[in-house]
Amino acid sequence: AQSVTQLDSQVPVFEEAPVELRCNYSSSVSVYLFWYVQYPNQGLQLLLKYLSGSTLVESINGFEAEFNKSQTSFHLRKPSVHISDTAEYFCAVSFQGAQKLVFGQGTRLTINP
Amino acid sequence: NAGVMQNPRHLVRRRGQEARLRCSPMKGHSHVYWYRQLPEEGLKFMVYLQKENIIDESGMPKERFSAEFPKEGPSILRIQQVVRGDSAAYFCASSPHLLALEGNEQFFGPGTRLTVL
Repeated sequence: AQSVTQLDSQVPVFEEAPVELRCNYSSSVSVYLFWYVQYPNQGLQLLLKYLSGSTLVESINGFEAEFNKSQTSFHLRKPSVHISDTAEYFCAVSFQGAQKLVFGQGTRLTINP
Repeated sequence: NAGVMQNPRHLVRRRGQEARLRCSPMKGHSHVYWYRQLPEEGLKFMVYLQKENIIDESGMPKERFSAEFPKEGPSILRIQQVVRGDSAAYFCASSPHLLALEGNEQFFGPGTRLTVL
């Protein structure tokens, strides 16, 4: 079965600390991988995506994610978080040939000063 | 270029009433997707439409729910005879091309939060 799992529902960290949000998927076909961020009372915004090529992808605001095919993972990392990174983060997967996105349950990132 | 527009942002209905949620995709986008986010859960795909066609409705409940994307005007998600379990945030997304072939992202609207009393 094709599924997406975000193991951590909440991740509290201190400002300027590093963070990793985990995402694993289950699939026997090729995938496209996405991370979306949802700020309070807003819609989802694309943070970064992996389609092909280099397995390490970066966003403009310091986040990066690495596609690991053997581990079927696409973990999101940032070496130093800021208060403004407080949001909910969703991992999403498009399985080969499918138009729809399958989302993980979301991880709420809380930054403490 | 305005983003994906959804209205209303908040909708309150009593059990048994109808709810109509509207979505205007980004200019030039001909693919529309609806997702539902139940409390404390991730987004779940409901339906994928192109102009005047439903392409994939595998995530739509079998009864009371319908969707359309007419040649002119916004896409509409319609829920008839709402029940408390329909309370959720409903998100619309659009894309300019086939996601799978072009690898394009889906652009999301701000969502409509439906509350059924």
